[in-house]
Amino acid sequence: LAKTTQPISMDSYEGQEVNITCSHNNIATNDYITWYQQFPSQGPRFIIQGYKTKVTNEVASLFIPADRKSSTLSLPRVSLSDTAVYYCLVGTMNTGFQKLVFGTGTRLLVSP
Amino acid sequence: DAGVIQSPRHEVTEMGQEVTLRCKPISGHNSLFWYRQTMMRGLELLIYFNNNVPIDDSGMPEDRFSAKMPNASFSTLKIQPSEPRDSAVYFCASIDRGRVGTEAFFGQGTRLTVV
Repeated sequence: LAKTTQPISMDSYEGQEVNITCSHNNIATNDYITWYQQFPSQGPRFIIQGYKTKVTNEVASLFIPADRKSSTLSLPRVSLSDTAVYYCLVGTMNTGFQKLVFGTGTRLLVSP
Repeated sequence: DAGVIQSPRHEVTEMGQEVTLRCKPISGHNSLFWYRQTMMRGLELLIYFNNNVPIDDSGMPEDRFSAKMPNASFSTLKIQPSEPRDSAVYFCASIDRGRVGTEAFFGQGTRLTVV
């Protein structure tokens, strides 16, 4: 399994753009990069997934450089409700029976 | 689909009692995961099943914990006997391994308090 490293915590203010970077130096060729969001007292929720370049949906954007050894989750114009823990996972369902292991994540605190 | 359904949502029990947590995965999903979350240890993977078969239970803390998946629509996590240090939120998640990527769907969790 590819090991991921991300900041433990980040602080931001409402209306700002937040970028959370995840390092995954030993990512495998077939691995995808997936981000989850967890609000207090809830289970993690899938927010975005990508393989290379850029992916955008209604919640966030995911930027992946050509070497794929890192990725950046971008949250545009955050609000107080974006306060949550964000997890970066790397892997694929296609390479055998894969465990879905979450690291410590990045705790994002958005202030007024 | 109603999503992953866990029951009960809250459980308070006395030390030494047996506790059974239940999970109904999303219909059609073929993998199921059990997690435990505490402030100190974060989100820990306890065990996961593929096609109702336990694949990796290395995260199960000790023999007091056991999990079963008798069919594709139901799984249980049992703690016997329970101890105060088992107090945590337990999550169940399911995945369709036929899809590319790792989009897992989580239940609302069961908050267990052992007194």
